Amino acid sequence: LAKTTQPISMDSYEGQEVNITCSHNNIATNDYITWYQQFPSQGPRFIIQGYKTKVTNEVASLFIPADRKSSTLSLPRVSLSDTAVYYCLLSSGTYKYIFGTGTRLKVLA
Amino acid sequence: DAGVIQSPRHEVTEMGQEVTLRCKPISGHDYLFWYRQTMMRGLELLIYFNNNVPIDDSGMPEDRFSAKMPNASFSTLKIQPSEPRDSAVYFCASSFRGLNTEAFFGQGTRLTVV
Repeated sequence: LAKTTQPISMDSYEGQEVNITCSHNNIATNDYITWYQQFPSQGPRFIIQGYKTKVTNEVASLFIPADRKSSTLSLPRVSLSDTAVYYCLLSSGTYKYIFGTGTRLKVLA
Repeated sequence: DAGVIQSPRHEVTEMGQEVTLRCKPISGHDYLFWYRQTMMRGLELLIYFNNNVPIDDSGMPEDRFSAKMPNASFSTLKIQPSEPRDSAVYFCASSFRGLNTEAFFGQGTRLTVV
């Protein structure tokens, strides 16, 4: 399976926009890009999924360039409650959801 | 729906004992996944089922681990005999039509083997 690479950690302040970039140079044609959020002592929670261009929902936006070798999760105006670990995953017809190390986001007051 | 339900939430057992973790997926979901999370190894996919049939168990660490899904509403992950290195949080997740859709995770079972 194609591997994803994310920054290990990021800090931000409340009210700022946070962009977390994920690299996936060997992404396959049928791979979708999915992001999950995990709070301490909880299971991961789906945030957003996309295949190409831009996807937006009520909590985040996902930007995927034409070559699909990277993707950027954008969290608008973060709050303290957005402090969590964010995972970028690739999924395809093999149905193996493999989590990487994730990005630990800390939002400061 | 109450979401994916796992039991117990916490389990402490002695080395060598059998441990059984339980999962009730969301009604109507046809895929079920078992994950293990540790600080050292992160989230690892152990096994997944489609329509109650195990599809890929290549992530199961050893023969001491086994998983079953006797029906669409119940799955178990069993460790026999348990060892201290099995201590982790075990998550169950379910989805409809596989991984290109949203997977819903349970709250996890924190297993401690002493």
